[in-house]
Amino acid sequence: DQQVKQNSPSLSVQEGRISILNCDYTNSMFDYFLWYKKYPAEGPTFLISISSIKDKNEDGRFTVFLNKSAKHLSLHIVPSQPGDSAVYFCAASDRRSYNTDKLIFGTGTRLQVFP
Amino acid sequence: DVKVTQSSRYLVKRTGEKVFLECVQDMDHENMFWYRQDPGLGLRLIYFSYDVKMKEKGDIPEGYSVSREKKERFSLILESASTNQTSMYLCASSLPGREKLFFGSGTQLSVL
Repeated sequence: DQQVKQNSPSLSVQEGRISILNCDYTNSMFDYFLWYKKYPAEGPTFLISISSIKDKNEDGRFTVFLNKSAKHLSLHIVPSQPGDSAVYFCAASDRRSYNTDKLIFGTGTRLQVFP
Repeated sequence: DVKVTQSSRYLVKRTGEKVFLECVQDMDHENMFWYRQDPGLGLRLIYFSYDVKMKEKGDIPEGYSVSREKKERFSLILESASTNQTSMYLCASSLPGREKLFFGSGTQLSVL
């Protein structure tokens, strides 16, 4: 049972435009969310996170939005650059549970930014 | 610069072999994790460890075991490799209470 879902396996965006990556979750106990980026032949690297007490967190070109009622989060990249081409994973955790450090990952979205 | 090192980048094994995947971190992190990455399934947690000699099952522990004798080293063991264990294996570490994981580059295991 996939608790964290990324329904778009791939996304193609022109350089300079906005990239929007979506993520849905089913477990209402999740209260902390993260995005990771993965290049080929490398491990995932942390990108940005958001706590459930917020609905938006921004870091440079990257903004994460959280809609708790819809159990949905999205990552916006503006403007998109060719170097952003990678696989993006969203992840969630329940900080109130025993295993607070355990992350549940989504299936990933491959973003391609073309010139 | 923080580092998580996985001993092999590529590994080819035969069905039934015992396989060891090694992971070492130099950040003095208490938490260590083993994930596998498969197309369409994302990253799935196999086992994790909060401290030396401690281990907890993740979401897909069947067919795997782990060993953590030293804080910096976390080993994943496939007791009898099977073809459905062909996958990319990723090791990660983190500090307690911190969801930010640091990953190694991964080991692509092929079981023939």
